[in-house]
Amino acid sequence: AQSVTQPDIHITVSEGASLELRCNYSYGATPYLFWYVQSPGQGLQLLLKYFSGDTLVQGIKGFEAEFKRSQFSFNLRKPSVHWSDAAEYFCALTRSGNTPLVFGKGTRLSVIA
Amino acid sequence: DAGITQSPRHKVTETGTPVTLRCHQTENHRYMYWYRQDPGHGLRLIHYSYGVKDTDKGEVSDGYSVSRSKTEDFLLTLESATSSQTSVYFCAISEGLTYEQYFGPGTRLTVT
Repeated sequence: AQSVTQPDIHITVSEGASLELRCNYSYGATPYLFWYVQSPGQGLQLLLKYFSGDTLVQGIKGFEAEFKRSQFSFNLRKPSVHWSDAAEYFCALTRSGNTPLVFGKGTRLSVIA
Repeated sequence: DAGITQSPRHKVTETGTPVTLRCHQTENHRYMYWYRQDPGHGLRLIHYSYGVKDTDKGEVSDGYSVSRSKTEDFLLTLESATSSQTSVYFCAISEGLTYEQYFGPGTRLTVT
């Protein structure tokens, strides 16, 4: 069965520092991978997605993610964090065919001055 | 923003009462989903629909039923609410199962 693991429940970074949020998946073939962000009291918004091709994908709000097949990872990065990036981040995957998305449990990001 | 609304946005109800949550979309997307979000569990799929009157169970479907009589509306019903169903419920839509999903604003349900 496919699954998604986000090892970090909560991360705190200083404003202006770089950020990397980890996502590991379990699935035999290449999955379709997504990162979503949820601001407090809001629904989820898509940051970026990977289906195939270039393993480094660019998303909105200055985020990027790199698919590493050998490491079963799809980590989210941002070179310089802004206070408005404080939110919860979810990694999700599905495989080709007819299965819905499976979400990780999320990583809460706090940004300090 | 995708045209997705959820009603009600907040509801408090008593154990044993029936509750229906509504999701309405204006995007004409084929797929609609109901999730619940709980601390430490992320989002868990309750049910989803792939067309009018076509639905399937998700990971946590026990105690919930759904109906979709029109493309734009997807209803989630708790036949007899329990305290364990206190949660935030999100509706989402997509053009296909492997396509990105667009989420509604959520409904906070409290069962006392």
